[in-house]
Amino acid sequence: QKEVEQNSGPLSVPEGAIASLNCTYSDRGSQSFFWYRQYSGKSPELIMSIYSNGDKEDGRFTAQLNKASQYVSLLIRDSQPSDSATYLCAVTLSGGYNKLIFGAGTRLAVHP
Amino acid sequence: SQTIHQWPATLVQPVGSPLSLECTVEGTSNPNLYWYRQAAGRGLQLLFYSVGIGQISSEVPQNLSASRPQDRQFILSSKKLLLSDSGFYLCAWSAGGTGNTIYFGEGSWLTVV
Repeated sequence: QKEVEQNSGPLSVPEGAIASLNCTYSDRGSQSFFWYRQYSGKSPELIMSIYSNGDKEDGRFTAQLNKASQYVSLLIRDSQPSDSATYLCAVTLSGGYNKLIFGAGTRLAVHP
Repeated sequence: SQTIHQWPATLVQPVGSPLSLECTVEGTSNPNLYWYRQAAGRGLQLLFYSVGIGQISSEVPQNLSASRPQDRQFILSSKKLLLSDSGFYLCAWSAGGTGNTIYFGEGSWLTVV
């Protein structure tokens, strides 16, 4: 079983729509969760972190965490063509050290 | 503010040749340091992480090695490259401890021919 799973996509949404990206993880003891955005040929950049159950909003982005279901999601409101990228879900494994494991990523395409 | 730099940005190496990628972090002390690899069209694979000078944990058995000779310097090496070593190598850092955000360097593209 993969430790962090994401749908590879591509997820195609029209400009102005809401994009919904999902991620599940296997380590029930995980406490820290992150979403990164990676443009083609570039290194990943942090979008949001979330540590508690519920929603966390930052501008057009909302992260949602449900530890009981081992599920974390990212919503992008008013999607723009510049949001087209691969979105990586990352989870810190339990065990006393900051070991971050990534999903394979979901490719998002926002079309005008 | 903290910055991370890695080099070289791009390199093409023949099979069997050695490799050295270097990474330095500025603006922080005693960071956790990481090397990840991303093969074409694949996710990020954790190769090594370090919580302190001389302390290296290897995640994947392979012909690569890592060293941390100074607090904010992390080096990825190989004595003999394989074709399968090609990929995008990313150095990263986080504050010491757990649950902290990891920040990535610009990455190094390695093509083994």
